Parts: sequence; structure tokens; C-alpha cells
Amino acid sequence: AQSVTQLGSHVSVSEGALVLLRCNYSSSVPPYLFWYVQYPNQGLQLLLKYTTGATLVKGINGFEAEFKKSETSFHLTKPSAHMSDAAEYFCAVSDLGQGGKLIFGQGTELSVKP
Amino acid sequence: GAVVSQHPSWVICKSGTSVKIECRSLDFQATTMFWYRQFPKQSLMLMATSNEGSKATYEQGVEKDKFLINHASLTLSTLTVTSAHPEDSSFYICSASPKSEGASGYTFGSGTRLTVV
Repeated sequence: AQSVTQLGSHVSVSEGALVLLRCNYSSSVPPYLFWYVQYPNQGLQLLLKYTTGATLVKGINGFEAEFKKSETSFHLTKPSAHMSDAAEYFCAVSDLGQGGKLIFGQGTELSVKP
Repeated sequence: GAVVSQHPSWVICKSGTSVKIECRSLDFQATTMFWYRQFPKQSLMLMATSNEGSKATYEQGVEKDKFLINHASLTLSTLTVTSAHPEDSSFYICSASPKSEGASGYTFGSGTRLTVV
């Protein structure tokens, strides 16, 4: 069965600092991987996704993630944090063998200090 | 891009009553929709897979008689919480993907905050 582990339930950075949110996955087949952002009382917004091809994926709002098969990781980064980046971030893997349903990590709350 | 509309965005109901939540794919057809539940400060938990024209597939531990799912058309799935109790209070979110994008194109609704009093 596929699973996702996000290291760190809460990450705090200063405005302008590097953002690094960690995600490791477990999958017996080549996975589809996703990062979503959620603001309070809202649904999920897709930041970026990896399906096939280039392992460095660029998303919205300056975020990017790199698929590293050897490390089973898909960490999310942003060079310079902005106050508006403060939110909950979820890493997910698509269970292609189960109709494509998404398996989510536990989430990481990102705080940005002025 | 694909848009999923969820309604209502919030609802308060009395204990023992039923509440219906709608999930619509606005600009694409969705043969499959997913329903998730999210408790405060927690991740999304898949409740069920809604299949157009057939019965929903429920995840282990989810009461199918309590959470009724109907997927009567290619653009609409509904989740009805029957005989709601305070412990059913939660944030419910649906998602769907255009057939052309398959498992890589899921879009989420804006969620429904259910409070049972």
C-alpha cells in the first residue's frame, strides 16, 4: 500500500528565508506525487505535481519540488518565504491501483515570521 | 482549468437531522468523485469513492448508512449525513478529475463546514 510521510508537523521560517517542507513516500509502482496548500476553512489548491518526465517540477507562487526516486522523496522548496505563504501544506500520492485516489500526508503547518 | 463547486460552504444543523452536501464539476464530466473528511489540525481522510451510476465504495470504518452518497449524473455527487450527531461535526471536502487527466488532475471543492448542535 502507498503511504506518505511529512517530516515536521510545523515549520517556522522568517520572511525572505528558504522554505523546505519534507515529504517521503512509499509506493510499489511509479507514483504520481502532489503538493497542495490549504488556507483556513478552504479547500485544497494544487501547488505542483509530478507524473512523469522532468524530476524538478515548478509550481505556482514560486514553489518547486524535486522527485528523487532513490530517496523516495518529493520535498517542497521556495527560495524566499512571503508572509502570504503561511498555510497548511499537504503532500499526496495517487494510488493508481485504487482508481487514483489520493493518499495524504499528515500535513505541515508553515508559519512565516516578519 | 477544471472547477469543482461544493455547496453549502457551511451549515449548522440540529442533532438528529440530516444534511445534504453537493459537489459539482462545473466544466467537465466526472465519473468518479471522492469525499474526504478533515478534523481540525488534521489531514484529509478519504471516506468514499463516488461512482456515477453505481454504488459508492466506502473506506473501512466509514458507516455507509450514515454517510449516504449519490452520484446520479456525471457532474453531481451528493453526500448526505443522516441523523447527524455532534461527533459528525467536521470539514467535508470533495474532489474530482476530468477523464482526460485521470489520476493526475484532481481538483478540490472549497469544502463544507458542518456543525451539529
